[in-house]
Amino acid sequence: ETGVTQSPTHLIKTRGQQVTLRCSSQSGHNTVSWYQQALGQGPQFIFQYYREEENGRGNFPPRFSGLQFPNYSSELNVNALELDDSALYLCASSLGQLQETQYFGPGTRLLVL
Amino acid sequence: AQSVTQLDSQVPVFEEAPVELRCNYSSSVSVYLFWYVQYPNQGLQLLLKYLSGSTLVKGINGFEAEFNKSQTSFHLRKPSVHISDTAEYFCAVTGLRGAQKLVFGQGTRLTINP
Repeated sequence: ETGVTQSPTHLIKTRGQQVTLRCSSQSGHNTVSWYQQALGQGPQFIFQYYREEENGRGNFPPRFSGLQFPNYSSELNVNALELDDSALYLCASSLGQLQETQYFGPGTRLLVL
Repeated sequence: AQSVTQLDSQVPVFEEAPVELRCNYSSSVSVYLFWYVQYPNQGLQLLLKYLSGSTLVKGINGFEAEFNKSQTSFHLRKPSVHISDTAEYFCAVTGLRGAQKLVFGQGTRLTINP
């Protein structure tokens, strides 16, 4: 059974640029959630995708957007990067929209200069 | 809406000593509760979860937690810690309905000293 994978592992961007982060869900999981973890903080929910539709969103501006593909992999896109976007971005997958247990990937560390 | 408070930002203990990491939550609806562990430069690994039933739940690596509904707490315990338990521990909650977004506490850094 393959776990949740994310790419890239690290990324450096400059303010104003755009970035795309990728996530492959655990085998058989059709729900993907994205979280932002700033340094020294707990993760914060960005949004969730279930069967290619957004299924809940946290308190993040519209420049944070996402996609889920038919194979249930997902992308997180961030436009007009700001310095405060520097964080570890975590993807989690679960089996089903109301399935309570989420399994996390290793994360992508984004640094915005 | 839910919120989680982890009462200790750092907990230093000696190897083989017992440890308790405290977590309190707030919610207007019934919840599921979780503890995750994060080792340096890694993602989150599920330690244990409370969904229903017995209030004492056992997880991996010898950890256990007790759900106390009246005190809205879900404290994590281990009777004897090892150097390899050094990590950041996060308590999280999610409501039973709607998108299963996890709400996390700020984390507790557990440091094991030899």
